[in-house]
Amino acid sequence: GAGVSQSPSNKVTEKGKDVELRCDPISGHTALYWYRQRLGQGLEFLIYFQGNSAPDKSGLPSDRFSAERTGESVSTLTIQRTQQEDSAVYLCASSLALGFSANTEAFFGQGTRLTVV
Amino acid sequence: SQQGEEDPQALSIQEGENATMNCSYKTSINNLQWYRQNSGRGLVHLILIRSNEREKHSGRLRVTLDTSKKSSSLLITASRAADTASYFCATALMNYGGSQGNLIFGKGTKLSVKP
Repeated sequence: GAGVSQSPSNKVTEKGKDVELRCDPISGHTALYWYRQRLGQGLEFLIYFQGNSAPDKSGLPSDRFSAERTGESVSTLTIQRTQQEDSAVYLCASSLALGFSANTEAFFGQGTRLTVV
Repeated sequence: SQQGEEDPQALSIQEGENATMNCSYKTSINNLQWYRQNSGRGLVHLILIRSNEREKHSGRLRVTLDTSKKSSSLLITASRAADTASYFCATALMNYGGSQGNLIFGKGTKLSVKP
């Protein structure tokens, strides 16, 4: 597709279960970002992938959260042993951000709304 | 931690008035970007200003950047009801070597434009 695709669009899960969220970036985009947005709040940075460099995981809130990306393609965000506080919209974005002085915008998916009951 | 902080948190104006939103940040940046979000889902890019630029225009949007004060402002002129949305600034950090690094967002300004 032409844009960033996230799946599922909505996910309801029971407390304690693991969930996996998927992001398909725009083809050729080297940078991929994951954010969490609680209701009425701003975007909280989670993790950033840039090409073959080691990902910036500094935003992951706990060791229950992990993310992977194979090359410059699909990324998955995994939340283990979900808690009610994990309920939020999880947004993925990608951009062309490689090269000296590159200045490029990020393109966002529509997000996955996660509800932990 | 948050890099950008928008001000005000909420803004309510009448159609036709101008809306000004401000953003402050903490560290050196490669560029600063403004985004718009409707209905709490995907964000849409509005405008990007590079660290060596001071002002940029796009249609009814005007963005300024003051790197000495680490601040930016977004002005929407002649606002319309359709401009009602949340607006976020995002700072693109600089990687070693000068390439664009991570993109960190502020908490946003919720703009309401009344007809």
